[in-house]
Amino acid sequence: DSGVTQTPKHLITATGQRVTLRCSPRSGDLSVYWYQQSLDQGLQFLIQYYNGEERAKGNILERFSAQQFPDLHSELNLSSLELGDSALYFCASSALAGLPTDTQYFGPGTRLTVL
Amino acid sequence: AQTVTQSQPEMSVQEAETVTLSCTYDTSENNYYLFWYKQPPSRQMILVIRQEAYKQQNATENRFSVNFQKAAKSFSLKISDSQLGDTAMYFCAFIIIQGAQKLVFGQGTRLTINP
Repeated sequence: DSGVTQTPKHLITATGQRVTLRCSPRSGDLSVYWYQQSLDQGLQFLIQYYNGEERAKGNILERFSAQQFPDLHSELNLSSLELGDSALYFCASSALAGLPTDTQYFGPGTRLTVL
Repeated sequence: AQTVTQSQPEMSVQEAETVTLSCTYDTSENNYYLFWYKQPPSRQMILVIRQEAYKQQNATENRFSVNFQKAAKSFSLKISDSQLGDTAMYFCAFIIIQGAQKLVFGQGTRLTINP
């Protein structure tokens, strides 16, 4: 158990819908990262937040957005869902400094299925 | 471009054997960290081992060790005395110290340990 929690575990929805994935980092970690794991694209970095502020952005679609709240939990919002958005979405967190040198610990993931 | 290549999509060995997973990467940066993550059937991403690029000494964690060849941009993982619980997908990844704090992953190697 990494200490990172993600809810829900599974999510099944229809095209065009909007969903919210939630992540709670390890106790004391200020940085949260979101990754998408799909069959065709592999594991890809989406976005990072550090202490409430967006720190880095990767291959995140405009239909996707994220935020980190004062209690440090983070939410990833996916809207206008398409079949290709079906994937495993991971949240990871890293230690206080939020530096690239900090090891990222991953949550169990949320499996999103878009029908 | 920053990429990671794992040339072995699948590998299979007998329990107690030693197995080596290959990884090469491409970056123009000089300062970075390298990782091996394991993803068992549970889909959880688990950190196996980490190597700082500035260190010449290869990292070791119990039965897991790496062979880091910086000039060749090679970072292989050796698993000694393999166990059934080592069955998983293994991902090689790196992170640049200066820049976006994202892990860049390879496509993974599916390792099966047979009894």
